[in-house]
Amino acid sequence: DQQVKQNSPSLSVQEGRISILNCDYTNSMFDYFLWYKKYPAEGPTFLISISSIKDKNEDGRFTVFLNKSAKHLSLHIVPSQPGDSAVYFCAAEPRGSTLGRLYFGRGTQLTVWP
Amino acid sequence: DVKVTQSSRYLVKRTGEKVFLECVQDMDHENMFWYRQDPGLGLRLIYFSYDVKMKEKGDIPEGYSVSREKKERFSLILESASTNQTSMYLCASRTGHPPYEQYFGPGTRLTVT
Repeated sequence: DQQVKQNSPSLSVQEGRISILNCDYTNSMFDYFLWYKKYPAEGPTFLISISSIKDKNEDGRFTVFLNKSAKHLSLHIVPSQPGDSAVYFCAAEPRGSTLGRLYFGRGTQLTVWP
Repeated sequence: DVKVTQSSRYLVKRTGEKVFLECVQDMDHENMFWYRQDPGLGLRLIYFSYDVKMKEKGDIPEGYSVSREKKERFSLILESASTNQTSMYLCASRTGHPPYEQYFGPGTRLTVT
């Protein structure tokens, strides 16, 4: 059973506008969350992360929001650019894990059009 | 800069062949991982390792095995390749302490005919 869910397989946004990618999780033991971006024929690259002790983390155009009570996080990209077109994966790690395993969602394909 | 390299970008093998996919990282990371990526299914964990000679099954280990004889190298083995193992294979590594992000290699596109 998927413990991390990205319910929107795709999202299309006009350049300059905000992109909001959503992610839900079911395991209350998750306490560290990450977003990865993946271009075709390349490996995923780390984008931004957030610990469960925070509810927001910002890095340039990228902001991640965490709502622990709703077990929901979102990635905001403002303003969106055509180069942001990629698959975005949400991932989570359980508290106290020493094995380093991440649990990934199935990804959301973001398309930013001019 | 962390570097994770994979032995091949593209590979074509025949059904029944034994296939070796190699992954090397240069940052002395303790943890290493093998995933496969298929459209609509995201990244699925096959096997991972938290130390030399130590391994753990992921979510889809059937038909695969792994080897970690040296800290920097993690190999994925398809004992007898089948067409349903056609996929993009991704290797990743990370250290055992913060920051916790995994660093991925470029991937190997394997086609089994």
